[in-house]
Amino acid sequence: AQSVTQLGSHVSVSEGALVLLRCNYSSSVPPYLFWYVQYPNQGLQLLLKYTTGATLVKGINGFEAEFKKSETSFHLTKPSAHMSDAAEYFCAVSDRTNAGKSTFGDGTTLTVKP
Amino acid sequence: DVKVTQSSRYLVKRTGEKVFLECVQDMDHENMFWYRQDPGLGLRLIYFSYDVKMKEKGDIPEGYSVSREKKERFSLILESASTNQTSMYLCASSLAGATYNSPLHFGNGTRLTVT
Repeated sequence: AQSVTQLGSHVSVSEGALVLLRCNYSSSVPPYLFWYVQYPNQGLQLLLKYTTGATLVKGINGFEAEFKKSETSFHLTKPSAHMSDAAEYFCAVSDRTNAGKSTFGDGTTLTVKP
Repeated sequence: DVKVTQSSRYLVKRTGEKVFLECVQDMDHENMFWYRQDPGLGLRLIYFSYDVKMKEKGDIPEGYSVSREKKERFSLILESASTNQTSMYLCASSLAGATYNSPLHFGNGTRLTVT
């Protein structure tokens, strides 16, 4: 069985500060990992994904994430927060044993202060 | 770009009513999913479908059914709506593939209130 834990349901940063959203996963086989963002009153959209290969993955809007197998982590970072980054962020995992279904974390709400 | 369209943004229904939530995607994706989203609980999978007329139960199928008569359309049915089904419902689609690494493409959601 696969699972995802997002540490911190709410994260607040100042504009221009580093953004760090934490995600740990559990999977019995090599995982596929995703970060999605949800702006108010919208569906989720893909920020970035890790499948195989390079462990540092770059996504849209300046976000990146690093897959660390030894730590079972896939934390999302952005060097400098912008007001427009305020949203809810979801980490998700899938693998070939679970027929393509993604399991989502509970989400982290990012607030950016001026 | 993939477009996933959910027919209603907001719905208000009464307890006991039969409710249909419709979802259409325009990119010929094989896989379609219905999730519900509740504060603090993330997204929970209700049902999914890998092909026309095929359906599989997700983690919380009780009180729901689905229909997929055409590849592009996936309907969620609440047979007898109850207040605990008040939620945001999200439809998603993805490409099929042996490696299961295709990301999900989501609609904008339907916020259902059952009174």
